[in-house]
Amino acid sequence: KQEVTQIPAALSVPEGENLVLNCSFTDSAIYNLQWFRQDPGKGLTSLLLIQSSQREQTSGRLNASLDKSSGRSTLYIAASQPGDSATYLCAVGYNTNAGKSTFGDGTTLTVKP
Amino acid sequence: DAGVIQSPRHEVTEMGQEVTLRCKPISGHNSLFWYRQTMMRGLELLIYFNNNVPIDDSGMPEDRFSAKMPNASFSTLKIQPSEPRDSAVYFCASSSRTANYGYTFGSGTRLTVV
Repeated sequence: KQEVTQIPAALSVPEGENLVLNCSFTDSAIYNLQWFRQDPGKGLTSLLLIQSSQREQTSGRLNASLDKSSGRSTLYIAASQPGDSATYLCAVGYNTNAGKSTFGDGTTLTVKP
Repeated sequence: DAGVIQSPRHEVTEMGQEVTLRCKPISGHNSLFWYRQTMMRGLELLIYFNNNVPIDDSGMPEDRFSAKMPNASFSTLKIQPSEPRDSAVYFCASSSRTANYGYTFGSGTRLTVV
């Protein structure tokens, strides 16, 4: 059974700092890995999707990397802003028939002005 | 595309009543997932469909919960009878091979059972 872990559960940083969020998974035979953002009381918004054949994906100030052999992915946020405050979840897809993914519990990020 | 559409956005009902949540996936997506999110248990997969066929309903908590997908553009999640512990946010998501199996979530239905 695939297990997905996100540590730490919460993180607080001052505005402007570069930061890294971590996601680890137990089964390296993944199909894809997806990072989401969730604001309080809102739905999940997809940030980046990395296929198993890729090493990283970038979107603006966000960069997600994937290392299947070590069972790890990182989400790098450059020059953090208070608007980046949210919960970030990673989801690992391992079933190509229906695309089912396993979610981590998320890291809640607070960026202080 | 308008994305994954869920209705209603909010539902308040009395214990014992039947509740029906609705989801319209993205056109062309052939996998559909129902999740429940609470503070205590986080995001839980309830059931998912592929090509309108239920693949795994092991996450459905009790027989009070049922889900259907009569066609590729519509799915329902029904709770009958509802109980206060069913209060949660229910999300629907869809994906497909053409989207590299990336999930797109709906905005969710916030259910409160009093």
